[in-house]
Amino acid sequence: QKEVEQNSGPLSVPEGAIASLNCTYSDRGSQSFFWYRQYSGKSPELIMFIYSNGDKEDGRFTAQLNKASQYVSLLIRDSQPSDSATYLCAVGDNQGGKLIFGQGTELSVKP
Amino acid sequence: GAGVSQSPSNKVTEKGKDVELRCDPISGHTALYWYRQSLGQGLEFLIYFQGNSAPDKSGLPSDRFSAERTGGSVSTLTIQRTQQEDSAVYLCASSLSTYGQYFGPGTRLTVT
Repeated sequence: QKEVEQNSGPLSVPEGAIASLNCTYSDRGSQSFFWYRQYSGKSPELIMFIYSNGDKEDGRFTAQLNKASQYVSLLIRDSQPSDSATYLCAVGDNQGGKLIFGQGTELSVKP
Repeated sequence: GAGVSQSPSNKVTEKGKDVELRCDPISGHTALYWYRQSLGQGLEFLIYFQGNSAPDKSGLPSDRFSAERTGGSVSTLTIQRTQQEDSAVYLCASSLSTYGQYFGPGTRLTVT
């Protein structure tokens, strides 16, 4: 059973701080990794994807991938109250196209 | 451009009735996925279409669930003889490549 693990939180950070969200996965052969943001009552929204070891930056978001350690993380710089949401880590299944999701980490950014 | 659309947005049905949920993917997206999200549960994969074919149906929970896709576009998920445990948000996603899936707004199904 391929698994994706995330701390459920809630993770609370003050406005302007860096939020760090972590995810580990069980399938060493996984090749594609995604971060989704889900506001309460809404559907998941793709914010980042990463395929190669190292860092990938997009605006205030940085995804980090370490395949040897089987973890992927998401850093949110200058956190804003509007970043308060549940962040879902997803790993692409090599057998097909589906994504395997973690349970999500709830982030709360306090003004 | 237009995103993924789903209908209905909400569906309340009685136990034992059949329901049909519809998904319109982003135009040109060849892959289409169905997931469901129950309260307190993560996103659970149901079925994947590439074109009109379904190479992965491994997530369908029972033979009461079926899905089809026609014209490489619209997909319908059908649940027969609904049970209370089928209550969830059913999410459809589409993609053109391996660079991520884009979700629709979901259908909230409540079985009473």
